[in-house]
Amino acid sequence: GAGVSQSPSNKVTEKGKDVELRCDPISGHTALYWYRQSLGQGLEFLIYFQGNSAPDKSGLPSDRFSAERTGGSVSTLTIQRTQQEDSAVYLCASSLLVQGEAFFGQGTRLTVV
Amino acid sequence: SQQGEEDPQALSIQEGENATMNCSYKTSINNLQWYRQNSGRGLVHLILIRSNEREKHSGRLRVTLDTSKKSSSLLITASRAADTASYFCATDAPGRRALTFGSGTRLQVQP
Repeated sequence: GAGVSQSPSNKVTEKGKDVELRCDPISGHTALYWYRQSLGQGLEFLIYFQGNSAPDKSGLPSDRFSAERTGGSVSTLTIQRTQQEDSAVYLCASSLLVQGEAFFGQGTRLTVV
Repeated sequence: SQQGEEDPQALSIQEGENATMNCSYKTSINNLQWYRQNSGRGLVHLILIRSNEREKHSGRLRVTLDTSKKSSSLLITASRAADTASYFCATDAPGRRALTFGSGTRLQVQP
């Protein structure tokens, strides 16, 4: 595809369940970011992948959150034992250059009930 | 904590007026970017200004950067109702390669 693709668009899950969110970056983009945005708020940095370097995990809010990027392409963000405060829009972005223009997907709206 | 903070948090103007949004940041940067977000979903890149640049234009957008004050401004001239959106600044920082976003300015342009 031409842009960053995220799936699912919307996810409703019960408290305590695990969820997986997927991001397909633009082909050839070596940098991939995950952010979280609560309603009416700014973007909270979660994790950053750059090529084969160790990911920057400094934004992950707890050990229930993890992410991986396979083959330098698709990334999966996993939230274990979801809590209501995890409800937010999860945004993925990719960029060709380090700290360059980031291209965003449309996000996954996660609702924990 | 946020690297960049925008002000005002919200701005309402009439169509045809100019809109100015400001961004302040805390540490030295390599570049600063501005993004637009409609309806709380994906962000769209507007403009990037490097730390050695002071001003940059793109269509109706004008961005300034003052590294001595650690601040930037985004000016939208001759605003249109379609400019209604949230606007965010994003910065890098030494030792952190990931972009850090501010809390955004919600712009409402009244037709």
